[in-house]
Amino acid sequence: KAGVTQTPRYLIKTRGQQVTLSCSPISGHRSVSWYQQTPGQGLQFLFEYFSETQRNKGNFPGRFSGRQFSNSRSEMNVSTLELGDSALYLCASSQLNTGELFFGEGSRLTVL
Amino acid sequence: GDSVTQMEGPVTLSEEAFLTINCTYTATGYPSLFWYVQYPGEGLQLLLKATKADDKGSNKGFEATYRKETTSFHLEKGSVQVSDSAVYFCALTPLDAGNMLTFGGGTRLMVKP
Repeated sequence: KAGVTQTPRYLIKTRGQQVTLSCSPISGHRSVSWYQQTPGQGLQFLFEYFSETQRNKGNFPGRFSGRQFSNSRSEMNVSTLELGDSALYLCASSQLNTGELFFGEGSRLTVL
Repeated sequence: GDSVTQMEGPVTLSEEAFLTINCTYTATGYPSLFWYVQYPGEGLQLLLKATKADDKGSNKGFEATYRKETTSFHLEKGSVQVSDSAVYFCALTPLDAGNMLTFGGGTRLMVKP
């Protein structure tokens, strides 16, 4: 069974640009969550989607948004990038609503 | 809000030593508790979980017991191996927000042969 796939794995952007990250969950998983990982703040929850609806949202500004498609694939978008948005963005999928998540390897974003 | 506090690393041990990584939490109600592990170059993986007080989660020789009275979920292993070298994250999720995890800062474990 294929794992969670995130694309792109690495990307470099400049301040003010926007970025879209993609996540393909494990087949059959309808929940997709996104987390931001930085050395200073650690792992922080961004949002979770289930059956194309946002189920939970973390404490991030409105520049961070996401969506989920009917095939459960998800995208997250960050607009007007800031230097502090440089991070590893992790996507996780799950069949259940129990916190048992399967993580992808992440998309590493560098903002210059 | 909810929070998780882990002992800071790195923790450096010799092979076959006993491991304890402390984790305490603050949360309302009765959260579920987890340990996730991140091996070098790999994504986070669920190591073990516990969903109610006095539950013991176990996997791959690792154990952790949900202690409501001390709000703790310490990770232990009786004999570590070099292959256990990784970053370990303690996490919780409230009863009504299943996949919205709050993570601790992570503890890096280095095991020397």
